[in-house]
Amino acid sequence: KNEVEQSPQNLTAQEGEFITINCSYSVGISALHWLQQHPGGGIVSLFMLSSGKKKHGRLIATINIQEKHSSLHITASHPRDSAVYICAVCYGGSQGNLIFGKGTKLSVKP
Amino acid sequence: DGGITQSPKYLFRKEGQNVTLSCEQNLNHDAMYWYRQDPGQGLRLIYYSQIVNDFQKGDIAEGYSVSREKKESFPLTVTSAQKNPTAFYLCASSTGVPSYNEQFFGPGTRLTVL
Repeated sequence: KNEVEQSPQNLTAQEGEFITINCSYSVGISALHWLQQHPGGGIVSLFMLSSGKKKHGRLIATINIQEKHSSLHITASHPRDSAVYICAVCYGGSQGNLIFGKGTKLSVKP
Repeated sequence: DGGITQSPKYLFRKEGQNVTLSCEQNLNHDAMYWYRQDPGQGLRLIYYSQIVNDFQKGDIAEGYSVSREKKESFPLTVTSAQKNPTAFYLCASSTGVPSYNEQFFGPGTRLTVL
């Protein structure tokens, strides 16, 4: 069974800092998703990737297939980035469904 | 506006009562999903449906039931057989399997069983 591990569990940063959240998984996957959950509970999909790197605004997601590792970076962090960031993977044994990490709670202080 | 709606946002029920959570989407997505979220845990899949009139059990289906009579709707019933029903429930949809498709999530329903 694939396990998805995220680190750190909690992260506090000052506004403007560069943020990195890590995700590791144990078996080969077909896709990895990064999601953002705001305090009200709603979840937004940030990225879906299977190789390389994707960028959207101040957010960058990378994946290293050989090392089974992905990172989510936030440049010039802002208090509105405060949320829980969730990594989820899709692999053959999950019938195409997502297996979720426990999330990283980010708090950006002004 | 296209999206997923879940109602109600907060729901309270007495122990032993069945309760149905609503999920509607107007994104014309074939696939729909129900997840449960508990504090300190990742989302867990309850049921999913890849097409109308068909659905499959997820990892924690015991004590839950679903139907998919219309493409737009995927209601979840939490039955009295669910031993610990208090949780945050999220519905999602996608055009196809998550290997190749982004999932869109609803705002969630927080169920509290008293």
